[in-house]
Amino acid sequence: DSGVTQTPKHLITATGQRVTLRCSPRSGDLSVYWYQQSLDQGLQFLIQYYNGEERAKGNILERFSAQQFPDLHSELNLSSLELGDSALYFCASSGHQRGGDTQYFGPGTRLTVL
Amino acid sequence: QKEVEQDPGPLSVPEGAIVSLNCTYSNSAFQYFMWYRQYSRKGPELLMYTYSSGNKEDGRFTAQVDKSSKYISLFIRDSQPSDSATYLCATSGGSSGSARQLTFGSGTQLTVLP
Repeated sequence: DSGVTQTPKHLITATGQRVTLRCSPRSGDLSVYWYQQSLDQGLQFLIQYYNGEERAKGNILERFSAQQFPDLHSELNLSSLELGDSALYFCASSGHQRGGDTQYFGPGTRLTVL
Repeated sequence: QKEVEQDPGPLSVPEGAIVSLNCTYSNSAFQYFMWYRQYSRKGPELLMYTYSSGNKEDGRFTAQVDKSSKYISLFIRDSQPSDSATYLCATSGGSSGSARQLTFGSGTQLTVLP
C-alpha cells in the first residue's frame, strides 16, 4: 500500500458527460501528480500541484482541469467526455517540489466512456 | 521519437533465470531514473531509484544507469513467478525550479514460468 488513495475505483459514463476523480496524497506529501494510462499512449503526465498551486502541465486537454485543496487532496475534472478518454487515471504524490523526490502512485481510477 | 524508449516485449523466462530489462532515453537533462513494477493495470509500484550514473542493488534487483550512452537497465536475479508483471522505466530531471514529472517508457511485460 503506497498510502495514496483514489476514488472511485471504477467509473462508467457516457460521452459528453463530466466526472470528477479524487486523490488523497500520502500523509505529509505536498505534491500531487496526475497521469493518464491508455493502451496506445502508455503512462503520460497530465498536471502537477504543489501545496495548492499548479506547478507543471503536461499533455492535459483543455477539457480537463484539476485543483488541490487546502487539505492537500486533489481532484481531476474531466468534461465533455469522449470515447478516447477511456483510460486509467493515476495520481502520485511526493514530498518535495524539486528534483530527487520519488513519486508514489495510487491504485488508479478506471474510466470507461460509452 | 519518444523521449524514453523501452522494448515492450513480451518477455518470457523460466523460473530462476536472470532477467535484463532496458531503456534508452534522449534527453541529456534527465538526472533521476526509476523502475516501477505494475501488476495487472494496478498502480505502479516503485522498485528502484537512481540518481545520475552508477549501479544500485536491492536484494535480487540491480539498477544500472549509463548517462554517457543514455542507457538504463534493470536486472532481476533468481526470477520468481511473482515477478511476472509489467516493468516501467521512468526518468525525470530538468533545470532548477522546474517540476519533476516522470517520463515513462512504454513498459516491458515479463512472465516468469514455474
